[in-house]
Amino acid sequence: VQLQQSGPGLVKPSQTLSLTCAISGDSVSSDSAAWNWIRQSPSRGLEWLGRTYYRSQWYKDYAVSVKSRISINPDTSKNQFSLQLTSVTPEDTAMYYCARDYESFDIWGQGTKVTVSS
Amino acid sequence: QSVLTQPPSVSAAPGQKVTISCSGTRTNIGTNFVSWYQQFPGTAPKLLIYDNNERPSGIPDRFSGSKSGTSATLGITGLQTGDEAEYYCGTWDSSLDVGVFGGGTKVTVL
Repeated sequence: VQLQQSGPGLVKPSQTLSLTCAISGDSVSSDSAAWNWIRQSPSRGLEWLGRTYYRSQWYKDYAVSVKSRISINPDTSKNQFSLQLTSVTPEDTAMYYCARDYESFDIWGQGTKVTVSS
Repeated sequence: QSVLTQPPSVSAAPGQKVTISCSGTRTNIGTNFVSWYQQFPGTAPKLLIYDNNERPSGIPDRFSGSKSGTSATLGITGLQTGDEAEYYCGTWDSSLDVGVFGGGTKVTVL
């Protein structure tokens, strides 16, 4: 199983951060895995942002800290899932990872360094 | 300000043993399985231990995990220079309904 991340590394303040995580070797519609976004910064450490998963229907859970600004969406046609974070500020500058949760975060993407700056 | 508490650093000589503690609460470690991750600079975290004490295939048995109450421990025996890395504990918090991590522990081989 591999996760391949894509998306811009520079986002302007107040704009929307958008990242995609393409899955190979598993399915975004798996009924035993969840698909997560996690970020890491020196000031906040590892911070779980949210997840999407399928159990007869789609579910989404988000961290309270970003709940009003975040959206994680599956794309079954491309077997991938995406992260959108709106109204970003410099505090959203971090390394962003996608990760599969199969009893634990067992597979991680390579990471995308996102800088919020004008 | 991480939800789980880890010591910032531990160190030992090659061949020795280190243990890393991870302290939480009833609603996270006390209720859910704990995982441990190893991270080298510039790379993504890698799963080392899951379900408190299980090793994924390919992880040597020098690495071990345990849990008691609201605390968990990662042990590394036969310390090698290649073990110098940052180690994180993680679990789910059933009250906050979020994934939570420790602040990380830097292992130094003297």
